[in-house]
Amino acid sequence: QKEVEQDPGPLSVPEGAIVSLNCTYSNSAFQYFMWYRQYSRKGPELLMYTYSSGNKEDGRFTAQVDKSSKYISLFIRDSQPSDSATYLCAMRQTSGTYKYIFGTGTRLKVLA
Amino acid sequence: EAGVTQSPTHLIKTRGQQATLRCSPISGHTSVYWYQQALGLGLQFLLWYDEGEERNRGNFPPRFSGRQFPNYSSELNVNALELEDSALYLCASSSIWTSDNEQFFGPGTRLTVL
Repeated sequence: QKEVEQDPGPLSVPEGAIVSLNCTYSNSAFQYFMWYRQYSRKGPELLMYTYSSGNKEDGRFTAQVDKSSKYISLFIRDSQPSDSATYLCAMRQTSGTYKYIFGTGTRLKVLA
Repeated sequence: EAGVTQSPTHLIKTRGQQATLRCSPISGHTSVYWYQQALGLGLQFLLWYDEGEERNRGNFPPRFSGRQFPNYSSELNVNALELEDSALYLCASSSIWTSDNEQFFGPGTRLTVL
């Protein structure tokens, strides 16, 4: 079993839809949870990070962490064609040996 | 402010050869991370350098190695190339002045092994 599981998609939605992207994980030691966006032929860019459980909102993006279920989500409201990209979740422990694990990414297409 | 730069953009090698990939971090960043992004496997952590020292490495064989120079730029070397080494190699940098959850990525070097 992979430490982090993410549906590769592709996920196609109409413009203006609410998008839900999810990851599950197995290592209960993870404390920091990140979402990256990667456009084609570019490196990933950090969208948001969350410490432990709870929600965090930034504009049209909301990150949600449920540590009891080992499940994290990224919601995109009012999705735009420019949101079309691959979204990667990532997570790490707070201390000890460096361990920064990425999901495989979900390809999102927002149709105009 | 210039971002993380990587060179070359593309690299084509044959099996058994050696490849050298280069990365320049954002000015002021002292940590450099290397990742391999192979199709369907996501980003796999390779190496972490900070202040010129290797701090950690991922589950890759010793033929993957690197170093960090005094100006904090970094080099990744892959010896005895195998077909499965074909991937996008990404470099990221971070600073002690920002959260080390915030890694800034370069555009990557696409390595093709024939």
